[in-house]
Amino acid sequence: NAGVTQTPKFQVLKTGQSMTLQCAQDMNHNSMYWYRQDPGMGLRLIYYSASEGTTDKGEVPNGYNVSRLNKREFSLRLESAAPSQTSVYFCASKEGQVNQPQHFGDGTRLSIL
Amino acid sequence: RKEVEQDPGPFNVPEGATVAFNCTYSNSASQSFFWYRQDCRKEPKLLMSVYSSGNEDGRFTAQLNRASQYISLLIRDSKLSDSATYLCVVNEGDSSYKLIFGSGTRLLVRP
Repeated sequence: NAGVTQTPKFQVLKTGQSMTLQCAQDMNHNSMYWYRQDPGMGLRLIYYSASEGTTDKGEVPNGYNVSRLNKREFSLRLESAAPSQTSVYFCASKEGQVNQPQHFGDGTRLSIL
Repeated sequence: RKEVEQDPGPFNVPEGATVAFNCTYSNSASQSFFWYRQDCRKEPKLLMSVYSSGNEDGRFTAQLNRASQYISLLIRDSKLSDSATYLCVVNEGDSSYKLIFGSGTRLLVRP
């Protein structure tokens, strides 16, 4: 029972490099989310996908792009990484009903030098 | 005003103590409420949903006050393992898919 799976778990990039963070869920959830969390700070929503085929900007979308590849998978891409994007990235998914919680993956720790 | 506000703490309590956290939310249309727990540099994990009638799960009790727009979490008989950050989470208005996370209240339980 995997739940939400994120890859990779750790990554170090150089400024200007690009990479894609992968997220997959096996709970048949409609909605998926990408957050970032900086040290000592709360979660900030980057992008979300309310349902397959739709994506929307969250609180801090600049410098990121997303793809909802299918119902299971939601990827986050950094086209040209910057040191300010050093953070822990969490993917989450949720059933469609209003009273359902989000379920999180165990995060990707990304450092940009 | 933030949509979801929490006292950041830390709350430093001895083992066995009872501790309570409050969280206020700004949108009266919000319908779903949760408490999550987050350990240092780990993913947030659902602790409990908060129902209108209040609910209890072992040592944990959650309450909702719609009139004053706050939710509370009470932890009885604190354990060392309860040390963590507790996140208050509220859905955004009448949205069924967008949740707003508070910044968290840090709890330290000392021996």
